[in-house]
Amino acid sequence: QKEVEQDPGPLSVPEGAIVSLNCTYSNSAFQYFMWYRQYSRKGPELLMYTYSSGNKEDGRFTAQVDKSSKYISLFIRDSQPSDSATYLCAMSETGANNLFFGTGTRLTVIP
Amino acid sequence: DAGVTQSPTHLIKTRGQQVTLRCSPKSGHDTVSWYQQALGQGPQFIFQYYEEEERQRGNFPDRFSGHQFPNYSSELNVNALLLGDSALYLCASRTTGNWGYTFGSGTRLTVV
Repeated sequence: QKEVEQDPGPLSVPEGAIVSLNCTYSNSAFQYFMWYRQYSRKGPELLMYTYSSGNKEDGRFTAQVDKSSKYISLFIRDSQPSDSATYLCAMSETGANNLFFGTGTRLTVIP
Repeated sequence: DAGVTQSPTHLIKTRGQQVTLRCSPKSGHDTVSWYQQALGQGPQFIFQYYEEEERQRGNFPDRFSGHQFPNYSSELNVNALLLGDSALYLCASRTTGNWGYTFGSGTRLTVV
């Protein structure tokens, strides 16, 4: 079993839709949770990060962490064609130097 | 600010050869990590360098080695290349104690 599981999609939505992206994990020691966006032929770009459980909002993006269920989510409101990319969840233990990534979900927002 | 710079952007090597990939971290960053991203997969941690020392290593064989220079730039070396080493190699940098990793655009390595 992988430490981080993520549905690879692909996911296609119409412009303006609310997008929900999710990851599950098995390591209860994970404390830092991140979402990265990766455009084709580019490196991952950090979108959001949270520590432990709870919600965090930044503009159209909301990250949620439920440590009791080992489940994290990223919501994108009013999705735009420019949001079309692969979204990677990543997580890490406190004091660790490595990130564990999900497989990535490929999202296409159709104008 | 140039961000994280990696070179070359693309590389084709023959099985059994050796390759060196280079990374210049974002200005002000002193810690460099390397990741391997196979097609359709998430990045996998190779190792991290800080103060010119390997601080942590992922589950990669000794064929993968690295180096960090006094100016914080880094190299990733892979010996005895296998077809399975074909991937996007990503360099990420940060300031120690900060969780904000910045990734480069990667080097696309193809082993034939």
